[in-house]
Amino acid sequence: QVQLVESGGGLVKPGGSLRLSCAASGFSFSNYYMTWIRQAPGKGLEWISYISGSSSDTNYADSVKGRFTISRDNAKNSLYLQMNSLRVEDTAVYYCATPSRQPGYWGQGTLVTVSS
Amino acid sequence: DVVMTQSPLSLPVTLGQPASISCRSSQSLVYSDGNTYLNWFHQRPGQSPRRLIYKVSNRDSGVPDRFSGSGSGTDFTLQISRVEAEDVGVYYCMQGTHWLWTFGQGTKVEIK
Repeated sequence: QVQLVESGGGLVKPGGSLRLSCAASGFSFSNYYMTWIRQAPGKGLEWISYISGSSSDTNYADSVKGRFTISRDNAKNSLYLQMNSLRVEDTAVYYCATPSRQPGYWGQGTLVTVSS
Repeated sequence: DVVMTQSPLSLPVTLGQPASISCRSSQSLVYSDGNTYLNWFHQRPGQSPRRLIYKVSNRDSGVPDRFSGSGSGTDFTLQISRVEAEDVGVYYCMQGTHWLWTFGQGTKVEIK
C-alpha cells in the first residue's frame, strides 16, 4: 500500500534553515508528481510546491518562492523540501502528498516551528 | 489565485439527517484536458486530510456511499445523505486546475 512518511521537522530560529524529507513506498515513485502542503496551527491548508517525476517541472507558492527548494531522489524514493530564511509565519505541519492535482495520499505530517 | 469560498463555515447537524456544503470558485475549474479538478477532503483533529471525492463526483475507495459530490464550472456541492458520528471534523474543497492550487477555508461539521 502507498505510504508517505515525512521527517526533519523541529524548532528553528527565524532566519534559520531546515530540510524536510518524505520517504515514499508502495507505488512507482518516479512516475508521479509530488507535492508539499502545509497547515499552520488551527488554520487551513496551503499548497507550497510541486515537482514532476523527472524533476523537470517545479513550481512554488509566492509565499515561499526564493526561500524554499523542492527536490527528489528517485533512486531513494524520496522527496525533499529545503527551507531557508525561515519566518515565524512558516510555522506549520508540513505534509507531502500525491498525486498533484487531486492528492489521494498524504503523509502524517512533520511539525516545523519557527520561533526565537 | 483562484479563490475557493465554502459555505457554511460551521455546520451543526443532527445524527441521521442530511448535510450539504457549498463550494464556489472564482474561476471555472474546467482544465484544458476536459477534467474538472475539484476535490473534497475530510480532516479529523490531529489527522492528515483524507480525500473523499475527486474530479467533482468520484468517490474514493472505502468512502461510504452516503457521501456524494456534484456541480460544474464554478459551483460545487458535497452532500452527506445521513450524518453519522464519525463524520464530524472539517471538510475542505480544493481546486487542482489552476496553479496555485487552492483550498476552501474549511467547514466544521459537528453534531448538535
